[in-house]
Amino acid sequence: EAGVAQSPRYKIIEKRQSVAFWCNPISGHATLYWYQQILGQGPKLLIQFQNNGVVDDSQLPKDRFSAERLKGVDSTLKIQPAKLEDSAVYLCASSLGASGGNTDTQYFGPGTRLTVL
Amino acid sequence: GNSVTQMEGPVTLSEEAFLTINCTYTATGYPSLFWYVQYPGEGLQLLLKATKADDKGSNKGFEATYRKETTSFHLEKGSVQVSDSAVYFCALTSSNDYKLSFGAGTTVTVRA
Repeated sequence: EAGVAQSPRYKIIEKRQSVAFWCNPISGHATLYWYQQILGQGPKLLIQFQNNGVVDDSQLPKDRFSAERLKGVDSTLKIQPAKLEDSAVYLCASSLGASGGNTDTQYFGPGTRLTVL
Repeated sequence: GNSVTQMEGPVTLSEEAFLTINCTYTATGYPSLFWYVQYPGEGLQLLLKATKADDKGSNKGFEATYRKETTSFHLEKGSVQVSDSAVYFCALTSSNDYKLSFGAGTTVTVRA
């Protein structure tokens, strides 16, 4: 079974530029998550989708971050404009449950390491 | 809200030593508890989980028991190998907050 795919794996941009990340979840997984992992910290949720609807985006900085999940499969996360403090690894995860129940296992992709100069 | 506190690292051990990584939590609702591992250059992988009190999760020689009375989920392995060198994250979800809340991670290095 293929895992969660993400691209690109690495990205270097200058502040005020824009960047986009792509995620393809495990086939059949209804729930998709984007996490931000700053060096030395645990991942923090940015946004959670159930199918193509947003379940939780309370920690997404909406003035600069946006995300979509068209057709309930692939997802993109965009940052515009980027700031220095956005340097982090951006992780995509998916889980099977249509309701994203709290016992579901979340499976993670390899992440995209973003460096903002 | 939910939060996880885990033992600070880094931890350096010799092969065949006993490993314990402490993890305590606070949660609203009924928590499920997880240990994830991140090997060098790889993504996060689920190591084990427990979804109700007194459950023991186990995998690859690692064990952790969900202790409601002490709000803990400590990770243990009786004899570590060099291949266990990684960053270990304790995490939880709860019945009224499905997102994973992670601890800061503990870096473990095992020397031959």
